Amino acid sequence: DVKVTQSSRYLVKRTGEKVFLECVQDMDHENMFWYRQDPGLGLRLIYFSYDVKMKEKGDIPEGYSVSREKKERFSLILESASTNQTSMYLCASSSPDRAAGYTFGSGTRLTVV
Amino acid sequence: GQSLEQPSEVTAVEGAIVQINCTYQTSGFYGLSWYQQHDGGAPTFLSYNALDGLEETGRFSSVLSRSDSYGYLLLQELQMKDSASYFCAVNTGGFKTIFGAGTRLFVKA
Repeated sequence: DVKVTQSSRYLVKRTGEKVFLECVQDMDHENMFWYRQDPGLGLRLIYFSYDVKMKEKGDIPEGYSVSREKKERFSLILESASTNQTSMYLCASSSPDRAAGYTFGSGTRLTVV
Repeated sequence: GQSLEQPSEVTAVEGAIVQINCTYQTSGFYGLSWYQQHDGGAPTFLSYNALDGLEETGRFSSVLSRSDSYGYLLLQELQMKDSASYFCAVNTGGFKTIFGAGTRLFVKA
């Protein structure tokens, strides 16, 4: 069974902390994505990567960075967490075949206090 | 700006047919996808339409009209387990996909 695994289901961090969210996929997918999901706003793209060490900004990259050192792993970094970054974070991966869609992880619910 | 519009909520009866609409306004269009998400779960891919017409997967069908910038998801023989949120998503080119805000479907007995 193909999988995208996010390291934490729930996280609580303090304002100003540096936060790492980890995502691993076992499908040998080239493309990986980080979205945040907020009620009424749907899923908004933060960053994506189409190859190792390659990254592109999405629609809301401010306050975030990413790292992709290996094909299977894509990390999201909150440099200095703020309360407005409290959200559900979803990692996804895909092959180049658009018709196959994205495979999502179960999400990390991050609360910044 | 770019936007996808879909109803916030839809309610239907078990065994019935329900249609969830999606209207999009984007700078590019390569295809329309649909995802299902149960509470607390991950979004799961349902269907993809790149060309006008119908795609069928079991009880679920999706239709696209590019000239109207419109698509819809049709769910037949509704079951209680179909209660979930449904998101339309447009691939705008390259690796970028924009998601709608989601439609919450309530299936009643």
